[in-house]
Amino acid sequence: DAKTTQPTSMDCAEGRAANLPCNHSTISGNEYVYWYRQIHSQGPQYIIHGLKNNETNEMASLIITEDRKSSTLILPHATLRDTAVYYCIVRPNNAGNMLTFGGGTRLMVKP
Amino acid sequence: EPEVTQTPSHQVTQMGQEVILRCVPISNHLYFYWYRQILGQKVEFLVSFYNNEISEKSEIFDDQFSVERPDGSNFTLKIRSTKLEDSAMYFCASRTDRRLYGYTFGSGTRLTVV
Repeated sequence: DAKTTQPTSMDCAEGRAANLPCNHSTISGNEYVYWYRQIHSQGPQYIIHGLKNNETNEMASLIITEDRKSSTLILPHATLRDTAVYYCIVRPNNAGNMLTFGGGTRLMVKP
Repeated sequence: EPEVTQTPSHQVTQMGQEVILRCVPISNHLYFYWYRQILGQKVEFLVSFYNNEISEKSEIFDDQFSVERPDGSNFTLKIRSTKLEDSAMYFCASRTDRRLYGYTFGSGTRLTVV
């Protein structure tokens, strides 16, 4: 699996957009970018995924650069409940079973 | 929205005792998983289960661990003889197919071995 690099922590003001970067410079053509988050020791929660096009759902937007070597998860209007650890994971869509979690980015949304 | 349910939320056990952690996956899901997270550390894969057998397991999942789907709705993780280092949050997860975005995790069981 391609290695990912994320900042250890970030702060964001409530109501503002939170932009969480992820570098995955060794990503290969069949690997997707997935984002999960973990709120205070709860089980991880799926947010969004993409291959090469930008994606948007009710939770977030995912922007993938044209060379696919990096991506940004955008929470458009962060709330206090978005305080969590955010994980960027790169894997082929149908490859095996496990999710491999790194250290993620600890996002603190402040009032 | 369908949920993965785990019980108990917190279990304290004496070192050397057997413990069973229980999970009820989402009813139409076919793939079942256990992950664990030691306090302050990363979420780690333990085992995956499909079609009534283990399909993949990590190095952590040694002979002290076993999984079972006894009745078509429950999915259990048994630790035969607990050690202090087994203290962790244990997360059950399920998904309907092999696509990685389909994972749904439970809220976890905090196991404390004393």
